[in-house]
Amino acid sequence: DAKTTQPTSMDCAEGRAANLPCNHSTISGNEYVYWYRQIHSQGPQYIIHGLKNNETNEMASLIITEDRKSSTLILPHATLRDTAVYYCIVRSTSGTYKYIFGTGTRLKVLA
Amino acid sequence: EAGVAQSPRYKIIEKRQSVAFWCNPISGHATLYWYQQILGQGPKLLIQFQNNGVVDDSQLPKDRFSAERLKGVDSTLKIQPAKLEDSAVYLCASSYRQAMNTEAFFGQGTRLTVV
Repeated sequence: DAKTTQPTSMDCAEGRAANLPCNHSTISGNEYVYWYRQIHSQGPQYIIHGLKNNETNEMASLIITEDRKSSTLILPHATLRDTAVYYCIVRSTSGTYKYIFGTGTRLKVLA
Repeated sequence: EAGVAQSPRYKIIEKRQSVAFWCNPISGHATLYWYQQILGQGPKLLIQFQNNGVVDDSQLPKDRFSAERLKGVDSTLKIQPAKLEDSAVYLCASSYRQAMNTEAFFGQGTRLTVV
């Protein structure tokens, strides 16, 4: 299973873009990168996923490097409600496509 | 569309007692997951169902944990007997199918405290 490495914590000013990096150097060609976030006392919330192309939805943008060894989740205009733990996940191709969570990045949006 | 429903939200039991958690996935979702999340850690997969069959239970402590998904819809996770280290949030998630390009949706979780 491909491993991911994320910074333990980050701060971001409210209204600014939050850029959350993730390294996944052992990713294989058909494995997707998923991002989830977990706000205190809630279940993880799906944000976005991608294979090789950059992706954008109403919540965020996902930038995947050409060699696919790293990615960045971008929250374009962070608000206080974006304070959460953000998980970068590379889904297993072992046949069950399970989600393996690491410890994530604790993002704190500052007023 | 209703989300993943879990109950109870909170449970406090004494060690060596038994406890059960219930999960109702999103309608039509074939894949169901149970995760355990210990405070300060990311969720850890306990068991994964595809319809009513188990596809991965490699991390499930089978001497005390059991899970079933009757008729491929609702699921229950049971712990018997509970230990102090079982104190955690138990999360249920579901996805439409077991595929790489399909996201999973999580419930609010059940917070278990074993005293």
